Amino acid sequence: TQLLEQSPQFLSIQEGENLTVYCNSSSVFSSLQWYRQEPGEGPVLLVTVVTGGEVKKLKRLTFQFGDARKDSSLHITAAQPGDTGLYLCAGAPRGGGADGLTFGKGTHLIIQP
Amino acid sequence: DAGITQSPRHKVTETGTPVTLRCHQTENHRYMYWYRQDPGHGLRLIHYSYGVKDTDKGEVSDGYSVSRSKTEDFLLTLESATSSQTSVYFCAISDSGRGTEAFFGQGTRLTVV
Repeated sequence: TQLLEQSPQFLSIQEGENLTVYCNSSSVFSSLQWYRQEPGEGPVLLVTVVTGGEVKKLKRLTFQFGDARKDSSLHITAAQPGDTGLYLCAGAPRGGGADGLTFGKGTHLIIQP
Repeated sequence: DAGITQSPRHKVTETGTPVTLRCHQTENHRYMYWYRQDPGHGLRLIHYSYGVKDTDKGEVSDGYSVSRSKTEDFLLTLESATSSQTSVYFCAISDSGRGTEAFFGQGTRLTVV
């Protein structure tokens, strides 16, 4: 079973601060995705990283895939209250197959005005 | 937004009764998934489908069955509901068997009393 450990589980910071969320595993994934989920809604895909060492930016969000494709990080610059939500990382299995994604337990992020 | 509709959105049922949740998609995606989301556990895969009448078990399949008679519909049945099946259930779709680019429905909140 492939496991993804996310840290921290909870994070509450002030508007304007920077933060980093980590997603770590002992397993190698073919790709890793980050989702954001708001209360009462399903997760919404933010980004997919595929290549080891890959960095993707989405406005103030920077996503990085580890060189060995076992870990990833999400960095938010100048956080805003609209960034509040549950952030989930999910890994796709190596070698193809239809058997779904492995999800981390998520990071609950609260940005206080 | 991807065309995924889950029904019902909320349901309260009694222990021992059968319950069927429905996921309907208009994207013609080949792969469909049922996940459950619980505090402290994150999203866990129940069953998935890689085509009409082609389904397989996920991590937490005990007590659940699925059917897919049409590309657009994926049904999840709790054969005899138990309190441990109280959860939020999400359907997801993907056009890639490697679990990339998964799109989620809005979820069904099921309470078993």
